[in-house]
Amino acid sequence: DAGVTQSPTHLIKTRGQQVTLRCSPKSGHDTVSWYQQALGQGPQFIFQYYEEEERQRGNFPDRFSGHQFPNYSSELNVNALLLGDSALYLCASSRPTLYYEQYFGPGTRLTVT
Amino acid sequence: GEDVEQSLFLSVREGDSSVINCTYTDSSSTYLYWYKQEPGAGLQLLTYIFSNMDMKQDQRLTVLLNKKDKHLSLRIADTQTGDSAIYFCAERSADNTGKLIFGQGTTLQVKP
Repeated sequence: DAGVTQSPTHLIKTRGQQVTLRCSPKSGHDTVSWYQQALGQGPQFIFQYYEEEERQRGNFPDRFSGHQFPNYSSELNVNALLLGDSALYLCASSRPTLYYEQYFGPGTRLTVT
Repeated sequence: GEDVEQSLFLSVREGDSSVINCTYTDSSSTYLYWYKQEPGAGLQLLTYIFSNMDMKQDQRLTVLLNKKDKHLSLRIADTQTGDSAIYFCAERSADNTGKLIFGQGTTLQVKP
């Protein structure tokens, strides 16, 4: 049973560019959450998707947007990249019956130069 | 507001027990979690406890919850070098959407 997968593993972008990160949830999971983890910090909640809708959003600007597809996979888009967006971006998924168990993917390391 | 705090570093000898502590502020949190992160990796769910429980044991791991003091601890028995990692405490947001609020993480160093 494949766990949560994310792509790409690493990414280097320039300030002002746009980036798209991808996440496939664990089999049977329908809810996807995205987190940003800056170096030396705990993960910070960006937003959560359920039934292709954004269900809740953390304290992140509108430059951060997302999408969930009918197969439950998800994308995180960040526009007008800033140096401060450099971080590990983590995706987590959970399933309807055990919604309180969130499983994380390996993350995408984004470096903005 | 929601806040989770942890001590930053713990060093133990192989074979000893490790105890990692965490405090949280939201008394209406329903679930509290411990995650493990190894260098360059994502977060591994170790265990979690429902807020109406005081203790949960899972092999070498024991979680203690003191709801009155809003204190959570993770005890690792017979700590091994492979347990060296960063351990994150997290609480589930009271709004029940699944948002997790994480502490800064405790780096556990296990010396042989």
